[in-house]
Amino acid sequence: NAGVIQTPRHKVTGKGQEATLWCEPISGHSAVFWYRQTIVQGLEFLTYFRNQAPIDDSGMPKERFSAQMPNQSHSTLKIQSTQPQDSAVYLCASSHSYEQYFGPGTRLTVL
Amino acid sequence: GQQVQQSPASLVLQEGENAELQCNLSTSLNSMQWFYQRPGGSLVSLFYNPSGTKHSGRLTSTTVIKERRSSLHISSSQTTDSGTYLCALHSGGSNAKLTFGKGTKLSVKS
Repeated sequence: NAGVIQTPRHKVTGKGQEATLWCEPISGHSAVFWYRQTIVQGLEFLTYFRNQAPIDDSGMPKERFSAQMPNQSHSTLKIQSTQPQDSAVYLCASSHSYEQYFGPGTRLTVL
Repeated sequence: GQQVQQSPASLVLQEGENAELQCNLSTSLNSMQWFYQRPGGSLVSLFYNPSGTKHSGRLTSTTVIKERRSSLHISSSQTTDSGTYLCALHSGGSNAKLTFGKGTKLSVKS
């Protein structure tokens, strides 16, 4: 069991560019969650999918952020026109019931 | 206001001392999950604890639903226990989102 896999581990973009982050959940887990971690705000929920369907995106900035889960083996988080305030560690987690298991995160730096 | 309040914000121990970390909620408690994170590291799940007491080695988690609180006890601390401990509230039902506290930064000195 490789755990939750996130790629890339680090990404640097210029202001205004697009960033796509990838997550591969643990095999057999039906739910995938995206969180964001910054020093100032701490850990914040963004969105989650259950059985590939979007369930709750209440934490997603309405503009520029979107998430998809095209199949049960991966999810993507896309940020359009990145801004410096988007710099953070983006964490993906998966779950088959209650306990959530986190990946190593993608550190996004927007210059 | 913040739903999940963790205390203390930071703690310094001498190796061998015990630690009690607290998590208090301003909303009803469904279940709690405790995590450990090294600087620059990923979140490692320590306990999923909906109620009562759970043990794992030197760690003990206690969740009291009526009092809206959960605690993490570390006995005989070691320098390798240093890092940040985070509690998170499950919003209810399976596969529900987590709301995190700000964490307790623990430093254990030899």
